[in-house]
Amino acid sequence: GAVVSQHPSWVICKSGTSVKIECRSLDFQATTMFWYRQFPKQSLMLMATSNEGSKATYEQGVEKDKFLINHASLTLSTLTVTSAHPEDSSFYICSALAVLFYNEQFFGPGTRLTVL
Amino acid sequence: SQQGEEDPQALSIQEGENATMNCSYKTSINNLQWYRQNSGRGLVHLILIRSNEREKHSGRLRVTLDTSKKSSSLLITASRAADTASYFCATDVNGANSKLTFGKGITLSVRP
Repeated sequence: GAVVSQHPSWVICKSGTSVKIECRSLDFQATTMFWYRQFPKQSLMLMATSNEGSKATYEQGVEKDKFLINHASLTLSTLTVTSAHPEDSSFYICSALAVLFYNEQFFGPGTRLTVL
Repeated sequence: SQQGEEDPQALSIQEGENATMNCSYKTSINNLQWYRQNSGRGLVHLILIRSNEREKHSGRLRVTLDTSKKSSSLLITASRAADTASYFCATDVNGANSKLTFGKGITLSVRP
């Protein structure tokens, strides 16, 4: 199957700093990637759809200026949490749409963000 | 708003027993998918069932879909301790897998 990686797997930062999370499709190209957020013992909530070469589409209630998404290549999308606050602490998971695998979404292992 | 709602929220069974998890949803769908998540990890796709299918099997997994009741069930037969995880259903409305809506999840514990 297709493999998606995320980096870093966990990060701890101070309030007010910015954090960048990378999502890579390792063995396939993905024009579309998705970013989800998951709070403890809760479900995944779609934050935004990342499209290669164009602006991301954000879900209602997600601040696009706070969660910057860049999908500059067919194998990499980045999510930057700007001016992070403790309430941004969460598990961030990306997925990539694999057209050659019948449009299945392959998920990365997630990034645990803790803002102090 | 979330599309899927699973029940029970938590399930504890003995190894070897069967585990049945249910998912209900609100709107018409193209397909419904079940995922598994080990604690603190990413999601693993288990099985997809299309709206024109009623039942599907994959190894020890059996999924049913009742579009009239807008519900699905996931059955894991002969459970193993390694099946301990959270299970989520996700609905795809338009079929392009372009937007999945996940349920709240079920925590399954299989006691050895």
